[in-house]
Amino acid sequence: GEDVEQSLFLSVREGDSSVINCTYTDSSSTYLYWYKQEPGAGLQLLTYIFSNMDMKQDQRLTVLLNKKDKHLSLRIADTQTGDSAIYFCAEKEGGKLIFGQGTELSVKP
Amino acid sequence: GAVVSQHPSWVICKSGTSVKIECRSLDFQATTMFWYRQFPKQSLMLMATSNEGSKATYEQGVEKDKFLINHASLTLSTLTVTSAHPEDSSFYICSAAPGGSYNEQFFGPGTRLTVL
Repeated sequence: GEDVEQSLFLSVREGDSSVINCTYTDSSSTYLYWYKQEPGAGLQLLTYIFSNMDMKQDQRLTVLLNKKDKHLSLRIADTQTGDSAIYFCAEKEGGKLIFGQGTELSVKP
Repeated sequence: GAVVSQHPSWVICKSGTSVKIECRSLDFQATTMFWYRQFPKQSLMLMATSNEGSKATYEQGVEKDKFLINHASLTLSTLTVTSAHPEDSSFYICSAAPGGSYNEQFFGPGTRLTVL
């Protein structure tokens, strides 16, 4: 089946930028997504990018898509302690969301 | 925005009992609902897709007789874990998609199931 991979942990200092990376395998994915999950909670859609775009910016969030390398990244500018959470990238395949393993972002004051 | 609720938020039960988890779309109609399972520090694994008024479609390896899904209305889907065992302990998350599976999914807050 299709696979979505992420690094498991990222630690940054408050005020720094965070970059979370993801690779996917389904080249036919139309949309790629970033979700945030806080402890004991469900998933919150942060942003998504259409496959014909290279970049999308939404306030502190910047998504970069490299279709050739099937690489997706999420940059969080001016990272705050409230950004500490697990971040999942996901691709949509046949109407189903396929999630990566999640990257645990730890923001230190 | 679109809100999805789950009830209960957590449940502890004895081995061998059945547990029902509800997923409701509060302010929209959900043609399709999805049930996921998440183990600690792991990703969400899709268990099944349910469309209102029809039988759920289960992912490979998911026992449909053990995880009963009912999607009787456009705002409610239920997951019943039958004869629960400790290995069924997990975090169960539902999502709902207005207008079908190709639309955006809105996620519930999850239900923590602990089977003793």
